[in-house]
Amino acid sequence: SQKIEQNSEALNIQEGKTATLTCNYTNYSPAYLQWYRQDPGRGPVFLLLIRENEKEKRKERLKVTFDTTLKQSLFHITASQPADSATYLCALDSGYSTLTFGKGTMLLVSP
Amino acid sequence: GAVVSQHPSWVICKSGTSVKIECRSLDFQATTMFWYRQFPKQSLMLMATSNEGSKATYEQGVEKDKFLINHASLTLSTLTVTSAHPEDSSFYICSAFEGALETQYFGPGTRLLVL
Repeated sequence: SQKIEQNSEALNIQEGKTATLTCNYTNYSPAYLQWYRQDPGRGPVFLLLIRENEKEKRKERLKVTFDTTLKQSLFHITASQPADSATYLCALDSGYSTLTFGKGTMLLVSP
Repeated sequence: GAVVSQHPSWVICKSGTSVKIECRSLDFQATTMFWYRQFPKQSLMLMATSNEGSKATYEQGVEKDKFLINHASLTLSTLTVTSAHPEDSSFYICSAFEGALETQYFGPGTRLLVL
């Protein structure tokens, strides 16, 4: 069956360091993959979309890589700040604009 | 751009009553909207896909007679939880698909508590 795995343990890092979050998937051939940020009690906020034929995408302090051979995406936040503390969700296109979400990884950036 | 609103943001109701939640795309038109529910520390679970002018498509295990979806315009979809019970208490989130960007934009969510 299709599966999306994100590290369930919270990631604790110090301000200024680079945070790296992982998304692994099985039994999928997604056309694209997306990353969202979710704060407690709020809806997800779109961050980045990367297509299957793209290896890497950047937006300000964010960088996403997509390896369709390894079936893995890495999400990096450079020069992390306490305001980056949130849960980050990986989502895969399931076809017909439908997304399937991972459970998310909580990131805690301490000053 | 690509802003989605949801109303109400939270609602408390008695068991057996019906609750309507509205989802609006404010600055774009969305032929497709989605409804999710999320339990604490869990992922978003897709409930149904709502297409403007046609019947919604429900995911397996979601009762269409309990969760009524209406997508009457390109900017508005509604979810009605009929005869709500305490087990329906959850966080309901809608999204609207922005076709040009191939991305779903989410509303802020509605917290439903059924007593």
